[in-house]
Amino acid sequence: GAGVSQSPSNKVTEKGKDVELRCDPISGHTALYWYRQSLGQGLEFLIYFQGNSAPDKSGLPSDRFSAERTGGSVSTLTIQRTQQEDSAVYLCASSSARGVNEQFFGPGTRLTVL
Amino acid sequence: QKEVEQDPGPLSVPEGAIVSLNCTYSNSAFQYFMWYRQYSRKGPELLMYTYSSGNKEDGRFTAQVDKSSKYISLFIRDSQPSDSATYLCAMRNNAGNNRKLIWGLGTSLAVNP
Repeated sequence: GAGVSQSPSNKVTEKGKDVELRCDPISGHTALYWYRQSLGQGLEFLIYFQGNSAPDKSGLPSDRFSAERTGGSVSTLTIQRTQQEDSAVYLCASSSARGVNEQFFGPGTRLTVL
Repeated sequence: QKEVEQDPGPLSVPEGAIVSLNCTYSNSAFQYFMWYRQYSRKGPELLMYTYSSGNKEDGRFTAQVDKSSKYISLFIRDSQPSDSATYLCAMRNNAGNNRKLIWGLGTSLAVNP
């Protein structure tokens, strides 16, 4: 079956603009995770959804970052007023309700803020 | 100090070599230990995970956890060029409904034919 998909694959934006990143999880996976990966920082947890609710959003770096999930499926990560330090690869993963250790990752969105 | 430390390498070995990859951690509450593999421009994929201490073997891969030393290892036997990738360790505790994985930086491995 289809894996996790993310769009766009690449996004170049100017400092101060808003961006939206999309994630389509594997069908039937109730858990969805957003991570940020940058050189020297490794994978950084941002937020976790179970269904449409986010029990853990402790990793969001600032109030410029928000995420939502609708219909227990697609999720959107929004970054407002982008800064150069937001440049990174944003990865989405999904898992079954009990499969937290086995997360299936998408290919990521490479965000560059000029 | 990071909760999980992992030497980023890079590590370069000849084909057929035994590879040893390691992570150390500081949080004694971690109970689940995972190894993911990430190819260039791709998302990570799970290789194997271990609960608590002990060894786990899957084909050419063996994961070891030593909780007393807060040290985990991944061994790759008979390494192949297709094993060239970045290997990431990840771990989490079992408290409540915690689902947050804490990740190492990843070790870049090149297996040369």
